[in-house]
Order: sequence, then structure tokens, then C-alpha cells
Amino acid sequence: GQNIDQPTEMTATEGAIVQINCTYQTSGFNGLFWYQQHAGEAPTFLSYNVLDGLEEKGRFSSFLSRSKGYSYLLLKELQMKDSASYLCAAVYQAGTALIFGKGTTLSVSS
Amino acid sequence: DTAVSQTPKYLVTQMGNDKSIKCEQNLGHDTMYWYKQDSKKFLKIMFSYNNKELIINETVPNRFSPKSPDKAHLNLHINSLELGDSAVYFCASSQDPVGVGPGELFFGEGSRLTVL
Repeated sequence: GQNIDQPTEMTATEGAIVQINCTYQTSGFNGLFWYQQHAGEAPTFLSYNVLDGLEEKGRFSSFLSRSKGYSYLLLKELQMKDSASYLCAAVYQAGTALIFGKGTTLSVSS
Repeated sequence: DTAVSQTPKYLVTQMGNDKSIKCEQNLGHDTMYWYKQDSKKFLKIMFSYNNKELIINETVPNRFSPKSPDKAHLNLHINSLELGDSAVYFCASSQDPVGVGPGELFFGEGSRLTVL
């Protein structure tokens, strides 16, 4: 299988920085996505990494190391509205589907 | 205009019944998917269609039958519903099958199915 592991829960305070890690099996790996899902809503796209390195998009950044099978999502200047589940997802073969991790529930408090 | 729309949003039914969920996307995408999200929030791929052709069929009981009348629609029919089918079913679409192009998946709002 293509196990994708991420922490189940994380907590942080407003204004802080949080890093959500994701590890995945490297064999056949073809790209990594991060999605945000608020309770009762659809997942929405945050980022896509296929090459090693850091992709920055406003307060959110995503990093990928293909050789290590590792990615992280970095959220800066946390706001209460960032409380949500963050889903790491990998694609293993072009033309197949995204395989999701079980998600990390982030709670931001004031 | 909603990009990916599913109906119904909520569905409560008895064990043994047959039900359908409909999905439509107006993004002009070629690929559509059905995902199941269980009570632990785990999103699992069920089916994928590209230009009306089935390209992914995960190990899903054959009580579940997808149908794609055209590339903008992908419906899911479930026969003989069981308690374990209770979940949120998400439809999604992408321009190309993931990994072929850089595009991401766009999800519908989900259909919450409760089997009693």
C-alpha cells in the first residue's frame, strides 16, 4: 500500500506558526497535495509539490523532500479560521487517484 | 455558480434500500471521482472516470455502481444499503487525471448518507 502518515491532532495559538508533517512511501511517488477541510465542508486545495523544495503561498508554505518521503505544511500568523483538518495526499502513478492521509485536525485558540 | 454540485446533501434510509447520489460539474473537466469519507474523516477513493470511461475501480463492493452519462456527470447508485455504508460521499473533478497535469481536485460539498 501507500501509507501516508500525519499526526492526528495539533493545537496552537493565534499568531503562532505551526508545521504539520507528512511522510509517505517513496516507491512510485508522483506528487504531493495539501488540502484544508473545515468541519462539514468539502476539502479545498492548498498546495501541490512535485519537485523538492519550498512552495510559498501567502501565509501557507509547503515543503517536499522526495528522497526522504517527507513533506510539511507551514502555517504562519495563525488565525482562528485556520482551525480545520489538513489532509496530505499523494499520487503514485499518473492517471490514478489521490491517496489521502487520515488528516491532521488543527485547533487554534486565542 | 457551484463548480461541483451533488444531490442530495443529506440522505437517511433503511438497510436494504437502494439509493442514488448525483454529481455534476460545470468546470469543463474531463475526470471525475467518487470518494468516501468515514466517521474518522478518512477520505478513500472509490471510482474515477475520464471522459466517461472508468479508469479507477478500487475494491468497492459491487453493490456500488457508478454511471457517467457524459463527462460532466458522475452518479453513484448503491444497492442493498448496509449500516457500514453510512459516510459522507464526495464527488470531485479535475481537468486531467491527477499526475498527468498539474491540476488539483475540486470537491463537491458532500452527500451525508445515514443508513438505519
